[in-house]
Amino acid sequence: QPALTQPPSASASPGASVKLTCTLSNGYYGYAIAWHQQQPQKGPRYLMKVNSDGRHYKGDGIPDRFSGSSSGAERYLTISSLQSEDEADYYCQTWGSGIQAFGGGTRLIVL
Amino acid sequence: EVQLVESGGGLVQPGRSLRLSCAASGFSFGDYAMHWVRQAPGKGLEWVSSISWDSDSLAYGDSVKGRFSISRDNAKNSLYLQMNSLRSEDTAFYYCAKDMGSGYSSGWLVLDYWGRGIQVTVSS
Repeated sequence: QPALTQPPSASASPGASVKLTCTLSNGYYGYAIAWHQQQPQKGPRYLMKVNSDGRHYKGDGIPDRFSGSSSGAERYLTISSLQSEDEADYYCQTWGSGIQAFGGGTRLIVL
Repeated sequence: EVQLVESGGGLVQPGRSLRLSCAASGFSFGDYAMHWVRQAPGKGLEWVSSISWDSDSLAYGDSVKGRFSISRDNAKNSLYLQMNSLRSEDTAFYYCAKDMGSGYSSGWLVLDYWGRGIQVTVSS
């Protein structure tokens, strides 16, 4: 079954860019993942799907500042022109072998 | 506009039961797989259970297998989670989520819409 690993925290300044990482477990490097954003005291929101070839497909209303990419076992979420509202927890999600799996989440602090 | 609204949460004693509901609107509910995901206080997201469009495929996380049961009523655009033998570690916010696909043969995909969630507290 696939598993996902995320660093627990990241930080960047307003106006800067940040690249968040999600790592797939060994044997599952060809899997797609999805990124979800959870702002404080809110439910998650789907951002995009990222394929192993780096192509990404965004959800409804997701700004162009958000983009996805891939390299080997890693799946990335890049947020450019950071805004205070981007301060949130970001989770990656994958699926396969009849299950769903989430990474532990990365808390993004916009300093 | 897709809307998912959970209900049925609350405070319940250990060992007792609770049934969550999720009312869906804004899309053709009967065409898509659906899921329950939970989040314990201060923790990350944990997948709980999934059901295909036609209820033929069901799946459960290891922590709830044998205690929780997922179901749906496509005529009522509703998803359910029957939670039995509740434990303190089941205390969490429970979210209903829509799959991007039908879930045929347990082929789950991206969760593309989420509800706002409902609190379940298991305590004596």
